[in-house]
Amino acid sequence: YVLTQPPSVSVAPGQTATLTCGGNSIGSNSVHWYQQRPGQAPVLVVFDDSDRPSGIPERFSGSNSGNTATLTISRVEAGDEADYYCQVWDSTSDHIVFGGGTKLSVL
Amino acid sequence: QVQLVQSGAEVKTPGSSVKVSCKASGGTLNTYTINWVRQAPGQGLQYVGRIIPVLGITHYAQTFQGRLTISADKSSSTTFLELTSLTSEDMAFYYCARGLGNGFDFWGQGTLVTVSS
Repeated sequence: YVLTQPPSVSVAPGQTATLTCGGNSIGSNSVHWYQQRPGQAPVLVVFDDSDRPSGIPERFSGSNSGNTATLTISRVEAGDEADYYCQVWDSTSDHIVFGGGTKLSVL
Repeated sequence: QVQLVQSGAEVKTPGSSVKVSCKASGGTLNTYTINWVRQAPGQGLQYVGRIIPVLGITHYAQTFQGRLTISADKSSSTTFLELTSLTSEDMAFYYCARGLGNGFDFWGQGTLVTVSS
């Protein structure tokens, strides 16, 4: 099972960043999103398509339908600059699958 | 708040083995899965395998079948990853992460495994 993410997305501070994750019928899977800042471990920012862990700002939201899952970051800040990875569990292979990651640049 | 603390960086020669530990504090591992994910320098995340410590049930990514062992010591809330027959392609940060459903909510700080002759 393959998850496809654009390699990079750029956005100005205060604007909205839309990060996509494509996969065959991904809408039937639960999608999780991780933020990874340089030199740090990943951090869960959205789980089960659209839920936020405690401590994650409301600016982070997720959706999932059809063949595309989306992570939306509103009112982008300089501190949001990081790599973002989507992840699902592929029930066919019982494997965890990650997308290739998107580097978010804040202009 | 659960914290996962991993063992320190390792330098290994090709063909040797490495064992990395992941100790939970502020909670117990027993009722969760502990997963291992690795990241080669400048690359993305790759699932390695997982264990349910309370049951000792493991699952390994096909890529590592035959040279990967994941184990757990319930008494110390510690999980171990052992990888044998190391090559330069195994050089990476290895992360442990607690399972939340089939996502991961808490991550260790990562252990760098360097493979060099």
